[in-house]
Amino acid sequence: AQTVTQSQPEMSVQEAETVTLSCTYDTSENNYYLFWYKQPPSRQMILVIRQEAYKQQNATENRFSVNFQKAAKSFSLKISDSQLGDTAMYFCALSRGGTSYGKLTFGQGTILTVHP
Amino acid sequence: DAGVIQSPRHEVTEMGQEVTLRCKLISGHNSLFWYRQTMMRGLELLIYFNNNVPIDDSGMPEDRFSAKMPNASFSTLKIQPSEPRDSAVYFCASSLGAGADTQYFGPGTRLTVL
Repeated sequence: AQTVTQSQPEMSVQEAETVTLSCTYDTSENNYYLFWYKQPPSRQMILVIRQEAYKQQNATENRFSVNFQKAAKSFSLKISDSQLGDTAMYFCALSRGGTSYGKLTFGQGTILTVHP
Repeated sequence: DAGVIQSPRHEVTEMGQEVTLRCKLISGHNSLFWYRQTMMRGLELLIYFNNNVPIDDSGMPEDRFSAKMPNASFSTLKIQPSEPRDSAVYFCASSLGAGADTQYFGPGTRLTVL
């Protein structure tokens, strides 16, 4: 069974500052993928970033980057130069890799508020 | 290219009525997922289709729920009869393949059963 845990129900940050959201997971698979999804008040689920477990290099997408610690089963999201539009619920998710069925397991979510 | 399309965006119905939620996949995608989101249970996978075939329906709550893919680009999720505890946001998502391809979500349908 796969589990994903987000231990921070809520976070806040000032505009232009940096914030890190935490995520830990558990899986028995060696090949898997990790994702961060963003859900703004519009409730649309938007992919922020994706990490393949077999890649040691941390994924980066513009102001968003991850710190992937495979041995510790930790996958945190860093948002640099926070913007008001980053206010949203953020979900960490895990799926099995390879060509088999990629069921996504989600964490409970972290509500991030960016203050002006 | 259009993303995943869901309709209706909002649905309010009375207990006992039939509800049908609709989803159009992204063109070229062959995997389809239905999720339900509630405050209490978070995001739960209800059912997964690959190439129009249901592969995993272990998340479907009970026989009142049914899902179909009549063709490669369209799916329905039906609740009959609906109950107040079915109130939730229902998402569908599609991906390119059966493996760990990124899932792209639709805007969701907010269902309220009175």
